[in-house]
Formats: sequence, structure tokens, C-alpha cells
Amino acid sequence: KAGVTQTPRYLIKTRGQQVTLSCSPISGHRSVSWYQQTPGQGLQFLFEYFSETQRNKGNFPGRFSGRQFSNSRSEMNVSTLELGDSALYLCASSFGTSADTQYFGPGTRLTVL
Amino acid sequence: DQQVKQNSPSLSVQEGRISILNCDYTNSMFDYFLWYKKYPAEGPTFLISISSIKDKNEDGRFTVFLNKSAKHLSLHIVPSQPGDSAVYFCAASLAGNNRKLIWGLGTSLAVNP
Repeated sequence: KAGVTQTPRYLIKTRGQQVTLSCSPISGHRSVSWYQQTPGQGLQFLFEYFSETQRNKGNFPGRFSGRQFSNSRSEMNVSTLELGDSALYLCASSFGTSADTQYFGPGTRLTVL
Repeated sequence: DQQVKQNSPSLSVQEGRISILNCDYTNSMFDYFLWYKKYPAEGPTFLISISSIKDKNEDGRFTVFLNKSAKHLSLHIVPSQPGDSAVYFCAASLAGNNRKLIWGLGTSLAVNP
């Protein structure tokens, strides 16, 4: 069974631009969560989508948004990029129940110049 | 404020010996704890978990111990192997919601041959 895939793997943007990251979950998984990883803050939960609806949300500004499609694929969008948005963005999928194990993709490394 | 703390950024151990990775938490409402392992350029991989109703869980070479009164958990790897060299993250969840995990900053383990 194919794992979680994320595209692109690397991205370089400049301040003020916007970016869209994509995540394809494991087949049959309906929940997709997004995390931001930075050296100083570790992994921070952004949000979770289940059946095309945002089910959980972390403490990030509104510039960070996401959506999920009917095939469970998810996209994350960051508008008006700031230097501090440079990070590894990880996507994780699961079946969607509370006790599920999350399976992570390799991440998208975003650099904001 | 870090609710999940891994106070040792790095650890070096000889092959065949025991590796002990520690994690402290501040929120007594956490009821499920997980350890993930992360290799460079890959997403975190689930390793082992423990519910707050238990004080020990074992899976092969990996054992997690939970001390609720001290709000402390530890991961023991016996015997350590060079392939265990990775960053280990401790994570916790509230009300068993493993889709919204609170993470420590990680401990980089180096197992020397």
C-alpha cells in the first residue's frame, strides 16, 4: 500500500507570496492532519480535515488555511508569506477515529526569502 | 510554553547497550502518549504508545514506561543498534485524540558501532 505523499518536496518563495502544498493520504484514510516543524518550536499542529470538513484547529493565524477533497487529498495554503513561515510542513493521515495511529509523509521544505 | 518536554537534545550510546530517552509533560489531562522516530528527509514514524491507564508497554526491543505522578515517561531501547540512530519525538494527546498531538522538541540518538 502506498504511503502518504506530499508535493512538492522543496519550495522557495519570497515574502508576501502565497503557497499551496498538497498531501495525498494512504488509501482508505479519511483524516488528514497538517503540522509545521521548526527547529525552535518542534512540531506544531495546524489543523485536521475529515470528510472535507475541518475537525480540529491549532493556534495559527488565518493566513494558514486548508481544504480536503472528496478523495481525501488535502491542500494547505499559506498567504502573505513571512520569513518565519520557513519550515518543514508535514502531513499525516489516519482512518479518522480518536485512537488511530497517524502516518506521516516526508514533508515539504518551504524556504521564504 | 512547551507542554511536552524532552530536555536532552542529544544522546550517544554504544551499540548493544541500553538507550533511555526521557520525556516530561505538564498537562495532567494527557491520556495517551506516543513515541515517533524520524530519519532525515523522512516524516516521523510511529514507534510505540502507552495509555495513561498503564505504566509499561513493551514491543520487542522498545519499552515505554509511564510515571503519572511524576508526569514523566521514558523510552528504553535494548539492545541499541546503529539503525536506531534517529531523532525520537515524544507526543501526547488529550482525550485520546491522536489526531491532534502535542509534541516534544525531540532527542537525537546516535548509536555508535
